[in-house]
Amino acid sequence: DSGVTQTPKHLITATGQRVTLRCSPRSGDLSVYWYQQSLDQGLQFLIQYYNGEERAKGNILERFSAQQFPDLHSELNLSSLELGDSALYFCASSPPGLAVLDEQFFGPGTRLTVL
Amino acid sequence: AQSVAQPEDQVNVAEGNPLTVKCTYSVSGNPYLFWYVQYPNRGLQFLLKYITGDNLVKGSYGFEAEFNKSQTSFHLKKPSALVSDSALYFCAVRHPRDDKIIFGKGTRLHILP
Repeated sequence: DSGVTQTPKHLITATGQRVTLRCSPRSGDLSVYWYQQSLDQGLQFLIQYYNGEERAKGNILERFSAQQFPDLHSELNLSSLELGDSALYFCASSPPGLAVLDEQFFGPGTRLTVL
Repeated sequence: AQSVAQPEDQVNVAEGNPLTVKCTYSVSGNPYLFWYVQYPNRGLQFLLKYITGDNLVKGSYGFEAEFNKSQTSFHLKKPSALVSDSALYFCAVRHPRDDKIIFGKGTRLHILP
């Protein structure tokens, strides 16, 4: 158990809908990362937050957005969902300090299925 | 552009034999390099990292990795494979001045009993 929690574990929805994925980082960690894992794209970095502020952006679509709240939990919002958005979405956290040096601790993931 | 390549989609090794999972990268400067493992239906777990110093890095579960700057490689190794090492392995690279992290596509390791 990494200490990173993600809810829900599974999510089934329809095209055009909007969903919110939630992540709670390990106690004391300030950085939160979001990833999308699919069979054809592999593991794609989406976005990173550090202590409430956006730190880095990867291959995140405009239909997707994220935020990190004062209690450090984070939410990833996916809207106007398409079939191709079906994937595993992982959240990870890393300790405070120079985040670029640190390993990340991954949550168990949320499996999103868009029908 | 920064990139990470894991040239093998799958590696099969007999139990007890040494294993190597390959990773090469294309990043300017001195990158930070990581290996992660993913077991079925689980999130990724950190194995080891190279930041600076000794080119041979030791990590969890008996794994080690060798950093080779001239070949821009960071291959993962283990002297004697276990069936329980069967999993998906990801190499990742991070540029020191860029918070983005890039993962390779992953290599599925099968250890045959």
